[in-house]
Amino acid sequence: SQQGEEDPQALSIQEGENATMNCSYKTSINNLQWYRQNSGRGLVHLILIRSNEREKHSGRLRVTLDTSKKSSSLLITASRAADTASYFCATDIIQGAQKLVFGQGTRLTINP
Amino acid sequence: SQTIHQWPATLVQPVGSPLSLECTVEGTSNPNLYWYRQAAGRGLQLLFYSVGIGQISSEVPQNLSASRPQDRQFILSSKKLLLSDSGFYLCAWTLGSGRQAFFGQGTRLTVV
Repeated sequence: SQQGEEDPQALSIQEGENATMNCSYKTSINNLQWYRQNSGRGLVHLILIRSNEREKHSGRLRVTLDTSKKSSSLLITASRAADTASYFCATDIIQGAQKLVFGQGTRLTINP
Repeated sequence: SQTIHQWPATLVQPVGSPLSLECTVEGTSNPNLYWYRQAAGRGLQLLFYSVGIGQISSEVPQNLSASRPQDRQFILSSKKLLLSDSGFYLCAWTLGSGRQAFFGQGTRLTVV
């Protein structure tokens, strides 16, 4: 079964607004990552946050992690049309070997 | 620099035919290698991962198999394709736990 669950499944906002996507997971993790996928392409890494970190920034991206709630959020500020893509969280779970498990993703549409 | 090659980009195969998708990584050694499948508009399902030559872990029982004959080569195979094997197949590599994943551009497989 999938480790991560993103919500919402789809999000449509106007250019310039902020977009927030959430991810919940089930088991203890080493770290959590966010990826972006343009339609029909491979995934591109955006940001990684470790289990002992609570917040991390990269440009217009802000990621939070709450290990007590087993959840993370990705905030994209001042959205642009080029931010239109699917966004996935991925968890590097502690048990077993080095699996990287992805959630179902959030489809983000930025309207000009 | 590190690169990942995945081919072909698209493939149409009849039911019952064999399959071989190849993924190679350049510019790094001893990577963890992954095969994912993505249904249209959905998340990534982890199929196989490998932490070394000849070491394959399977995540879900299915009609597919994987092999790692060389350190930087990961092959996804099937002896007889099913309609349900259609999907977007992605290969990825990491340098281990807590490291970002790099993805190939994917192979869109249609079984007819």
